[in-house]
Amino acid sequence: LAKTTQPISMDSYEGQEVNITCSHNNIATNDYITWYQQFPSQGPRFIIQGYKTKVTNEVASLFIPADRKSSTLSLPRVSLSDTAVYYCLVGDNSNDYKLSFGAGTTVTVRA
Amino acid sequence: ETGVTQTPRHLVMGMTNKKSLKCEQHLGHNAMYWYKQSAKKPLELMFVYNFKEQTENNSVPSRFSPECPNSSHLFLHLHTLQPEDSALYLCASSPGERDDEQYFGPGTRLTVT
Repeated sequence: LAKTTQPISMDSYEGQEVNITCSHNNIATNDYITWYQQFPSQGPRFIIQGYKTKVTNEVASLFIPADRKSSTLSLPRVSLSDTAVYYCLVGDNSNDYKLSFGAGTTVTVRA
Repeated sequence: ETGVTQTPRHLVMGMTNKKSLKCEQHLGHNAMYWYKQSAKKPLELMFVYNFKEQTENNSVPSRFSPECPNSSHLFLHLHTLQPEDSALYLCASSPGERDDEQYFGPGTRLTVT
């Protein structure tokens, strides 16, 4: 079954921009793309959601190309507290349109 | 605090035990979810309830039995578990539409011995 795929890990330094891409080749036509952040010993927390083009909020931006087969979460000027696991969530039309989390990307921010 | 609480936070049980996990949401949401999070695996959606009715069961073994008595409470009854069932069990709630933001509880860390 085709599922979402993300890089396993990314390293960065404080003040840099971090971009995480999620591939979702079989995204359901009507589904949004949602990103979550998870710290150790906590449940995931919503970051941002979009359907197409670009969405921006106070913590991140989300870029979605026209074919919607991927999306890129952009974290501007990261700090140590942004060290976490980041997940994308989409509906998968190859899996009965069920919502499916990616495996997550561990982002480590260093001083 | 997300408005979703889970008890207990940690649980150790033998394979022959019966235990239950509890989840409560104080957000007025209509949908509730159970997820399993194992080490080095993606979050796995187990069950979805919407307005107290089960709308999704992702081929979960029968040794996991969910119960949703009302829109604010969700239980996961456990019996004759296996060591590979050891994981973090997360509960979430959302207003009810498919793409709504999900609010997660802190999880129950389950160890099966």
